[in-house]
Amino acid sequence: AQKVTQAQTEISVVEKEDVTLDCVYETRDTTYYLFWYKQPPSGELVFLIRRNSFDEQNEISGRYSWNFQKSTSSFNFTITASQVVDSAVYFCALSEMDSSYKLIFGSGTRLLVRP
Amino acid sequence: SAVISQKPSRDICQRGTSLTIQCQVDSQVTMMFWYRQQPGQSLTLIATANQGSEATYESGFVIDKFPISRPNLTFSTLTVSNMSPEDSSIYLCSVEDSGGLNTIYFGEGSWLTVV
Repeated sequence: AQKVTQAQTEISVVEKEDVTLDCVYETRDTTYYLFWYKQPPSGELVFLIRRNSFDEQNEISGRYSWNFQKSTSSFNFTITASQVVDSAVYFCALSEMDSSYKLIFGSGTRLLVRP
Repeated sequence: SAVISQKPSRDICQRGTSLTIQCQVDSQVTMMFWYRQQPGQSLTLIATANQGSEATYESGFVIDKFPISRPNLTFSTLTVSNMSPEDSSIYLCSVEDSGGLNTIYFGEGSWLTVV
């Protein structure tokens, strides 16, 4: 069965610190997609990244980077030099190819960046 | 990326009433989904809205409680029927953007409070 685990319920850092949000997934499919979304207090879900199971290259986008390791079924997200505007709930999600793009979400990690 | 608009953005509803949420997309999309996010929780898929046919509901969700319409490839509605305080949630519409990226985007969400 598919499952996404975000073990960190809440993380608090001081501005400019680096922070890593963990995501571990379970799936029997060989073809799947992993996503990260940001949900600020306003409630909308902001797409950050999509990664397919055949692409294990790490990705960097500005202060954001993602580390995908199939060997450990993990897709971790790092924010470098965090800013107050990064404060939000971050969700990791899994979509299996056979599931018609239905997303299975983790429980989310609330990130608080203090000035 | 697809631009998704939801109405209403927020509403306070009386117990026992029904409310219809609209989701409009700025381009034609094949897959549209409705998710629910209860307070402090993660997102759970309610149903997949199929154009020209009945919606496909996930376990725990039924058509009588959450009727869905999908009259065309850019629009869908979700009705929350006979509301109770337990229905207080954010309801989010999402689409699979098949413009080459197979990415899943979300609307801004509709915050419903049932009193």
